[in-house]
Amino acid sequence: GAVVSQHPSRVICKSGTSVKIECRSLDFQATTMFWYRQFPKQSLMLMATSNEGSKATYEQGVEKDKFLINHASLTLSTLTVTSAHPEDSSFYICSASRDKQTEAFFGQGTRLTVV
Amino acid sequence: GDSVTQMEGPVTLSEEAFLTINCTYTATGYPSLFWYVQYPGEGLQLLLKATKADDKGSNKGFEATYRKETTSFHLEKGSVQVSDSAVYFCALSDTGGSYIPTFGRGTSLIVHP
Repeated sequence: GAVVSQHPSRVICKSGTSVKIECRSLDFQATTMFWYRQFPKQSLMLMATSNEGSKATYEQGVEKDKFLINHASLTLSTLTVTSAHPEDSSFYICSASRDKQTEAFFGQGTRLTVV
Repeated sequence: GDSVTQMEGPVTLSEEAFLTINCTYTATGYPSLFWYVQYPGEGLQLLLKATKADDKGSNKGFEATYRKETTSFHLEKGSVQVSDSAVYFCALSDTGGSYIPTFGRGTSLIVHP
């Protein structure tokens, strides 16, 4: 199969701190990973696309300095929410694909709560 | 640009009822079409897909047929179970370029015993 694991599944952090979310492809090499944000009862909003070894491509309106994405290896991408604010509280989901023309597989998501 | 429109939910059914969740799309090329399911508190799982016109995707009793003439990909199941309660997302990807799926807003399904 194609398994993508996200960690942690839930995290609570204080305002002003930073939190890192990991996305790992467990049984395949992912040249491309995607990060989404999902608001309650809404669809997934693509935040950025990351390719291994290069800078992430951010969607319009997403602050790249606030949502730092690193894709340092073919099996790991990280999303760091810096200077977290309560409005950053959301469900973040990653997905990974072998290449740009192949369907992506989703992680189980991370529920971030900023207090 | 590409877009996906799903019927608004929630859809509330009794167990063993017939399910239809409508999905229509707009795309410039010949996209692949997908249905994903999201159980409470979890990420998305691919439920089924179809890559060309008239293809039928099926899995776990769910079916959807790629209808190019009506630009639709409606999800159906003949007899739903309580365990099918989840949010269902229709999505497309433009296979002419990069695979970056465009999602519909999702339809919540609630199945009562």
